[in-house]
Amino acid sequence: DTGVSQDPRHKITKRGQNVTFRCDPISEHNRLYWYRQTLGQGPEFLTYFQNEAQLEKSRLLSDRFSAERPKGSFSTLEIQRTEQGDSAMYLCASSSFRDEEKLFFGSGTQLSVL
Amino acid sequence: DAKTTQPNSMESNEEEPVHLPCNHSTISGTDYIHWYRQLPSQGPEYVIHGLTSNVNNRMASLAIAEDRKSSTLILHRATLRDAAVYYCILRDGGKLIFGQGTELSVKP
Repeated sequence: DTGVSQDPRHKITKRGQNVTFRCDPISEHNRLYWYRQTLGQGPEFLTYFQNEAQLEKSRLLSDRFSAERPKGSFSTLEIQRTEQGDSAMYLCASSSFRDEEKLFFGSGTQLSVL
Repeated sequence: DAKTTQPNSMESNEEEPVHLPCNHSTISGTDYIHWYRQLPSQGPEYVIHGLTSNVNNRMASLAIAEDRKSSTLILHRATLRDAAVYYCILRDGGKLIFGQGTELSVKP
């Protein structure tokens, strides 16, 4: 297994456009997390899934953000009507029910909104 | 909000031990203490976690105070590849909440 995979690695978009990111967790990991990180800050929690159920979403998260994990495997994070303030690194992580305390992170998708 | 307090930065010399402190005075009895690190241009990487007893693994040791209100991550022999931001984290429900961490620099 090659770990958590995120696609694309980089995305440049114009303000107002929609973007979608994909995360493929480690096989058979039942939990999947999305975080956002800006320069000089620690990762900020966005949302997480257990299998296909979205269990928690940050109250700071705008309605323009939506995440899905339709079959309990890969997940997508969509941002509608992007704003310059959405520019950040979007990180995905997964964990196994056997060891929920250990999260494995992908390398992230770097979003730049012009 | 993060429930832990760490120094913003620390320096170490190569091949010397490093002790990274963390305060978590509001910790509850069932909270695990987690440490992750983030190398430049990478996602965070799990280092170690513990509940009450001191913990050791191939990467580091975790020393937990008896009252559990503080802990220390110990890197026994720092290498240049250990230069990273180290995060001390408590779980909040089903998720980990990161603070700003400690940026560790290692001098040759």
